Amino acid sequence: DTGVSQDPRHKITKRGQNVTFRCDPISEHNRLYWYRQTLGQGPEFLTYFQNEAQLEKSRLLSDRFSAERPKGSFSTLEIQRTEQGDSAMYLCASSLRWGTETYEQYFGPGTRLTVT
Amino acid sequence: KNQVEQSPQSLIILEGKNCTLQCNYTVSPFSNLRWYKQDTGRGPVSLTIMTFSENTKSNGRYTATLDADTKQSSLHITASQLSDSASYICVVFKTGGSYIPTFGRGTSLIVHP
Repeated sequence: DTGVSQDPRHKITKRGQNVTFRCDPISEHNRLYWYRQTLGQGPEFLTYFQNEAQLEKSRLLSDRFSAERPKGSFSTLEIQRTEQGDSAMYLCASSLRWGTETYEQYFGPGTRLTVT
Repeated sequence: KNQVEQSPQSLIILEGKNCTLQCNYTVSPFSNLRWYKQDTGRGPVSLTIMTFSENTKSNGRYTATLDADTKQSSLHITASQLSDSASYICVVFKTGGSYIPTFGRGTSLIVHP
């Protein structure tokens, strides 16, 4: 257990439905990342937050995807009108970064999404 | 294009043997390189982090090397154990204001008794 939790661990939904995932980072961590990982591939960056500010988004994050981190604590990732291609493991990671120091990134267990 | 290439794609070894995994990258400007271990169905766990000035870093039976000139890294596993069976992922972070990491596809290691 890294201290980063994600909920739910598994989600099965029908195409066209909306889903929302939650990530609770390690409490003192100011950085929070979302990644997507498909079978046999490495994680792909989706977006990241510094405190409550969403600083960068990948082009993979289409208009159907939205992420929030209100109050700089937990974060949610919502996918609207899900498609079968959205089936993947969604990973959250948190880290502490001050200035130019490089700190370790801790991953949650992931949320496995299956779109039928 | 910023890329991270890992080899081999998969590897099978006997328990107790050593092995070396490779990572080549073109990510620039370079900030740091990380190796992660990912068990099936779980999130990655950090093994090592190396910055530009570091050539070698160890974590128990895991030793990572970095050659920033040739943009190559390796992860050496000594005296492998069954629990080492996992995917090993190389990740490179850029510097210069963008903190988006680039992940390799990973090397799948299977350790047989």
